[in-house]
Amino acid sequence: DAKTTQPPSMDCAEGRAANLPCNHSTISGNEYVYWYRQIHSQGPQYIIHGLKNNETNEMASLIITEDRKSSTLILPHATLRDTAVYYCIVRVTHFGNEKLTFGTGTRLTIIP
Amino acid sequence: DAEITQSPRHKITETGRQVTLACHQTWNHNNMFWYRQDLGHGLRLIHYSYGVQDTNKGEVSDGYSVSRSNTEDLPLTLESAASSQTSVYFCASKRTSGGSDTQYFGPGTRLTVL
Repeated sequence: DAKTTQPPSMDCAEGRAANLPCNHSTISGNEYVYWYRQIHSQGPQYIIHGLKNNETNEMASLIITEDRKSSTLILPHATLRDTAVYYCIVRVTHFGNEKLTFGTGTRLTIIP
Repeated sequence: DAEITQSPRHKITETGRQVTLACHQTWNHNNMFWYRQDLGHGLRLIHYSYGVQDTNKGEVSDGYSVSRSNTEDLPLTLESAASSQTSVYFCASKRTSGGSDTQYFGPGTRLTVL
């Protein structure tokens, strides 16, 4: 699975859009980009994933660059409950390769 | 609503005792997983199962065992608990193998081995 690089921490004002970057310059053509977050002491929570195209769901948007070497997770209107560690994971999902490798992630703090 | 639950949420035990952590999901997912999370190590995969009667070792399986007798449950057993197994344990499930399906996690069990 390709390695990802994320900033260790970020702050965002409540009500603003939080933009979390992720670099995955060694990603290969069949690897998906996944985003999870972990709020203190809770289980990791799935946010969104994508392969090539930008994706949006009720929680967030995922913007993947055309060369797929980086992506940005966007939380459109951040709230205090979005304070968490956010993990960007790049992987191929297939039978026998189920392990999710969580790196150190980005600690996002939403400021009132 | 369908969900994944773990019990107990907190457990304190002594070295050498056998401990079983429960994981139950109501999504009817075929695939289930056990991870442990320790400071500085992220999440590490212990065991996983693709269906009833199927179990597979992950990267840190020594000292742990699982059994899958039905779709809903994957209990994790520590045969003889050691202090190195003090950790937070997360169970996860996934609908299918392959494709772009993702894993959904339970709330975790905090285990302390004294």
